Amino acid sequence: AQKVTQAQTEISVVEKEDVTLDCVYETRDTTYYLFWYKQPPSGELVFLIRRNSFDEQNEISGRYSWNFQKSTSSFNFTITASQVVDSAVYFCALSEANSGNTPLVFGKGTRLSVIA
Amino acid sequence: EAGVTQSPTHLIKTRGQQATLRCSPISGHTSVYWYQQALGLGLQFLLWYDEGEERNRGNFPPRFSGRQFPNYSSELNVNALELEDSALYLCASSPLWTGEAFFGQGTRLTVV
Repeated sequence: AQKVTQAQTEISVVEKEDVTLDCVYETRDTTYYLFWYKQPPSGELVFLIRRNSFDEQNEISGRYSWNFQKSTSSFNFTITASQVVDSAVYFCALSEANSGNTPLVFGKGTRLSVIA
Repeated sequence: EAGVTQSPTHLIKTRGQQATLRCSPISGHTSVYWYQQALGLGLQFLLWYDEGEERNRGNFPPRFSGRQFPNYSSELNVNALELEDSALYLCASSPLWTGEAFFGQGTRLTVV
């Protein structure tokens, strides 16, 4: 069965620090998708990135970067030079795709607080 | 382009009543997903509708039900409300299945 673990419940950093959010997943499928979402206090989930299981290339988008390693079943998310606006709950999610796509399974989220 | 819209934003019901939550997907999206986000429990998958049919269901009792209309909008019904049904209910839509689910702002249901 698919499972996503975000071991860090809460992280607090000072503005301009770099921070890495960990995500470890479990799946028996060889084809799957991994996601990161941001949930600000307003409650709406904001899509950040999708990565398929055949693409292990790391990605950078501005201050955000993602490190996908199949060998350790991890899909970690790094924010460089954090800002107060980055304060939110971040969710990692997985969708299996071997036999038809499945709904997203989410980790329990990591609450990031960036202090000015 | 309008995003996923949910109504109402807030809903207060008493135990035993029924609640109806509504979701309008992004234009062109045929799949609608419902998730429950209760305090401390993370996001739990409830229901998935595509092309008017229920495709998958999470581990929830039958009093959680829904439907999808011909225009792809969806309703989530919760019967015989219990206090623990209090949660943020999030709806998401995607075009068939691209892996990118776009979420609405949610309906916060409070059962008293």
